[in-house]
Amino acid sequence: KNQVEQSPQSLIILEGKNCTLQCNYTVSPFSNLRWYKQDTGRGPVSLTIMTFSENTKSNGRYTATLDADTKQSSLHITASQLSDSASYICVVSSGGSQGNLIFGKGTKLSVKP
Amino acid sequence: DGGITQSPKYLFRKEGQNVTLSCEQNLNHDAMYWYRQDPGQGLRLIYYSQIVNDFQKGDIAEGYSVSREKKESFPLTVTSAQKNPTAFYLCASSWPAVASEQFFGPGTRLTVL
Repeated sequence: KNQVEQSPQSLIILEGKNCTLQCNYTVSPFSNLRWYKQDTGRGPVSLTIMTFSENTKSNGRYTATLDADTKQSSLHITASQLSDSASYICVVSSGGSQGNLIFGKGTKLSVKP
Repeated sequence: DGGITQSPKYLFRKEGQNVTLSCEQNLNHDAMYWYRQDPGQGLRLIYYSQIVNDFQKGDIAEGYSVSREKKESFPLTVTSAQKNPTAFYLCASSWPAVASEQFFGPGTRLTVL
């Protein structure tokens, strides 16, 4: 069964600290992996999209990694800010069409002053 | 939120009533999608459309209906047949290519009274 599992479920860190969120998937075939940021009560916003051949992709203070062999991805946030408080969602595409996206449940990050 | 709008932001419905959620985009995207988000769960696909006058059922289409008469509009009707309609509904759009980013609207929160 195609699944995307994220950990931890929730995380609290102090402003200025770094953190890493994990995503493990059992999706086959694999087309690409995306990370989205979702503020409470808002729609998700794309952070990165990585294909099979990409190991690392950065977007400002966000850096995503992908290990297609172990089927794992991580999202590293550097020098966290209060505005980073949100849910972070890992999404894997199994190809064919964009109707084949498998969404993780998300990690809820709280950044405290 | 990009160029996608959803209305209304909050919607209340009595049991047994049909209700239609609006989704409009000005990004000239061919593909549009409807997702449902429940607390503690990943987004689930209700319907998607890759071209005008064509749409496909997603994973949880029962109790929902859609139309795609115009490229920029993809309304979702929640019918009385949907047994548990209270949820956060998200509309998205993209280019049809598998690796294209999906842009999400701000969402509509539907509550059944």
